[in-house]
Amino acid sequence: KAGVTQTPRYLIKTRGQQVTLSCSPISGHRSVSWYQQTPGQGLQFLFEYFSETQRNKGNFPGRFSGRQFSNSRSEMNVSTLELGDSALYLCASSLTRGATEAFFGQGTRLTVV
Amino acid sequence: GESVGLHLPTLSVQEGDNSIINCAYSNSASDYFIWYKQESGKGPQFIIDIRSNMDKRQGQRVTVLLNKTVKHLSLQIAATQPGDSAVYFCAESPGLQGAQKLVFGQGTRLTINP
Repeated sequence: KAGVTQTPRYLIKTRGQQVTLSCSPISGHRSVSWYQQTPGQGLQFLFEYFSETQRNKGNFPGRFSGRQFSNSRSEMNVSTLELGDSALYLCASSLTRGATEAFFGQGTRLTVV
Repeated sequence: GESVGLHLPTLSVQEGDNSIINCAYSNSASDYFIWYKQESGKGPQFIIDIRSNMDKRQGQRVTVLLNKTVKHLSLQIAATQPGDSAVYFCAESPGLQGAQKLVFGQGTRLTINP
């Protein structure tokens, strides 16, 4: 079966713009988590969604937001982009909350110029 | 605060040798630990996990050791192959949250010498 799909793979935006990234989890998976990966900070948890509700949130400013749809697909949005938002954004899907395996997508590489 | 770290940023081993990658964690409440492998251009891939009530777990060519006394985790890869070249991350899950909210270490880049 298909893995986690993230679109787009690459994105270039200008400071001040906003961006929306998409994640389609593995079929049947209902939990989606988002992470930001940068060379300096490594992999950092952004938020987790389950049943269309945000269940956990990491230590990121309010410019970072997300949502989950009834089909478990998730989007994350970053408003008023800053240069420091340049990163690889990874989505991970799990069967349910408390599941011990998370499957990652290939990520969306966001570059802010 | 939560943190998982302490690592050698890079590790070079000869093909066929065993590799040991180390990681320290700080949150004594963490219940679950995972090792991920990330190859260039890909997302992290699950390798092996261990719960806090265990001190050792073996998989295919990999072994994870957990020492709760010193809050230390290690990944042992037997008979390292070229395909093992990647960045390896340890991750911890605070509380009983499964793998939905992970705290990652900074990673160790494993290079295999022919």
